[in-house]
Amino acid sequence: GAGVSQSPSNKVTEKGKDVELRCDPISGHTALYWYRQRLGQGLEFLIYFQGNSAPDKSGLPSDRFSAERTGESVSTLTIQRTQQEDSAVYLCASSKGPDSNQPQHFGDGTRLSIL
Amino acid sequence: EDQVTQSPEALRLQEGESSSLNCSYTVSGLRGLFWYRQDPGKGPEFLFTLYSAGEEKEKERLKATLTKKESFLHITAPKPEDSATYLCAVRKGNNRLAFGKGNQVVVIP
Repeated sequence: GAGVSQSPSNKVTEKGKDVELRCDPISGHTALYWYRQRLGQGLEFLIYFQGNSAPDKSGLPSDRFSAERTGESVSTLTIQRTQQEDSAVYLCASSKGPDSNQPQHFGDGTRLSIL
Repeated sequence: EDQVTQSPEALRLQEGESSSLNCSYTVSGLRGLFWYRQDPGKGPEFLFTLYSAGEEKEKERLKATLTKKESFLHITAPKPEDSATYLCAVRKGNNRLAFGKGNQVVVIP
């Protein structure tokens, strides 16, 4: 597609449920990133994929968070046993490669609300 | 700890009133400073990348500059459509971006 696509755009769930967020990067982009944006806060890095491997997952806030990428394309971010503090917008970005001169292009995010 | 601080947090401008946004950073091994624009309910939209002190980039009414400690985003003769939150981010060698909290700009007709 023309841009990074994320689904769902909005997700409301009860505390304790598991959620799965999906990201379709720009075609041909080998690098993929997940960020979290809480209200009034800057974007927080979560995890970075190069191809299907994740050389940097140091931003994942707890072991309830996991992510995978398959076929050097789609990625899913899974949050298990959701807590109210997980409420945020989850943004995915992709870039042509890991080189520093390649900008990251973002999707419009998934707005997650935990009741 | 690496930090990115943006000021002012919020800015109201009259249409045509030029102003500047500031992004100060403390990071070792800088590999690029990025400016993004974010509209409500949307993801950040890439504007500029700056790599070295003295570098400048321009796009329409926006001009970004970089020194060793800060970057400025100058908005010249802004229009209402320039209303947005402007995000500054720095990249280190590990490819992650560290973002500031943003400058929220409102341009009044």
